[in-house]
Amino acid sequence: SYVLTQPPSVSVAPGQTARITCGGNNIGNKSVHWYQQKPGQAPVLVVFDDTDRPSGIPERISGSNPGNTATLTISRVEAGDEADYYCQVWDASSDHLYVFGTGTKVTVL
Amino acid sequence: QVQLLQSGAEVKKPGSSVKVSCKAFGDTFSSYTFSWVRQAPGQGLEWMGRIIPIFGTSKYAQRFQGRVTITADDSTSTTYMELRSLRSEDTAVYYCARDPYGGTSFDFWGQGTLVTVSS
Repeated sequence: SYVLTQPPSVSVAPGQTARITCGGNNIGNKSVHWYQQKPGQAPVLVVFDDTDRPSGIPERISGSNPGNTATLTISRVEAGDEADYYCQVWDASSDHLYVFGTGTKVTVL
Repeated sequence: QVQLLQSGAEVKKPGSSVKVSCKAFGDTFSSYTFSWVRQAPGQGLEWMGRIIPIFGTSKYAQRFQGRVTITADDSTSTTYMELRSLRSEDTAVYYCARDPYGGTSFDFWGQGTLVTVSS
């Protein structure tokens, strides 16, 4: 089964930039999607297809997937960005068609 | 605006079954793929299975094969997830989620249903 690895936690001061990585075998060949999940709430899609944002998601949140590692970048971090973030890919050859990363807790200092 | 509305919290005994529903509002139901994703307390997201209502076909993650059934009722725009032979490790929040293109991301999620398995 395909595995996506994320750092357990990232801490960032308000106004600074948070970067969350997502590693997987040949991940550059896949489309990576990102979700934000706040405590007690359902996940929300914040980036799809590596770099696209759904309507309503601020431009401060961006994604990239240049090859070895996909990255979600949150610029000018605000207190409201504190949440868990999950990457996800579709892998038709995997038992879990939809594979989620291990999740990263972003803490705003 | 698309909404996925799930049924309420459940408390079940070990060995019993639970059936959770997810009703879609605001868009054509059968054009999309619906999955069920669960999250144990303090843990990450785990995909359980999906259904393509227009074809009526389902696929499940192997670890749930034989214990889970996902169905859809096009007439009520509702998808269901039934999990059998419940054990304490099945205590989790269960989410339904919509994949607009089948094999991409989940653009809309239900609010989640807490299933507690306890004797």
